[in-house]
Amino acid sequence: GDSVTQMEGPVTLSEEAFLTINCTYTATGYPSLFWYVQYPGEGLQLLLKATKADDKGSNKGFEATYRKETTSFHLEKGSVQVSDSAVYFCALRAGGTSYGKLTFGQGTILTVHP
Amino acid sequence: DTAVSQTPKYLVTQMGNDKSIKCEQNLGHDTMYWYKQDSKKFLKIMFSYNNKELIINETVPNRFSPKSPDKAHLNLHINSLELGDSAVYFCASSQDGLVFEQYFGPGTRLTVT
Repeated sequence: GDSVTQMEGPVTLSEEAFLTINCTYTATGYPSLFWYVQYPGEGLQLLLKATKADDKGSNKGFEATYRKETTSFHLEKGSVQVSDSAVYFCALRAGGTSYGKLTFGQGTILTVHP
Repeated sequence: DTAVSQTPKYLVTQMGNDKSIKCEQNLGHDTMYWYKQDSKKFLKIMFSYNNKELIINETVPNRFSPKSPDKAHLNLHINSLELGDSAVYFCASSQDGLVFEQYFGPGTRLTVT
């Protein structure tokens, strides 16, 4: 079945450090890929998405590139802020008949210190 | 003007009880979902409805029963609660199942003692 694997957390960084959260996936067909973010005490919000190979999603300084050859969708940000502290989820929606179904990774907790 | 709202936010109850969680969206979306997030933050879909019709029904105990009285509401009823049901339950909606962005509610933290 479809699956998403994220790097183990938690990740702790100082402000202005570079961030990478690794994400790899297994899926049949041509999935769409997403990063969602969950701030403390809130629901998930879509951070960025990519719907086909080599697409780059970007938002709020975060970027991720859909790499079909390595089945990866790593999240990066050049300079993190304290306000980026949250849980980050990589997710996929398989192609074909997976109507609306998102498969999530296990989440990566990010803490940014001043 | 909350987009996806859930009630209650916290729910503490004893084993064996029956409880319901309500979800409402005011986005005009046709598709709604229930997800369960366990203590390790792992998030898994439970159900999906499109325009009041059940579309996704994952491997969930039949003690869990979703009900959609109209396309703006999707409630989750849980019978005979067990300790393992303790989790955060999220409702979400999307314009339809083929549109990618899902909007999540704030979650309901269920604790079964």
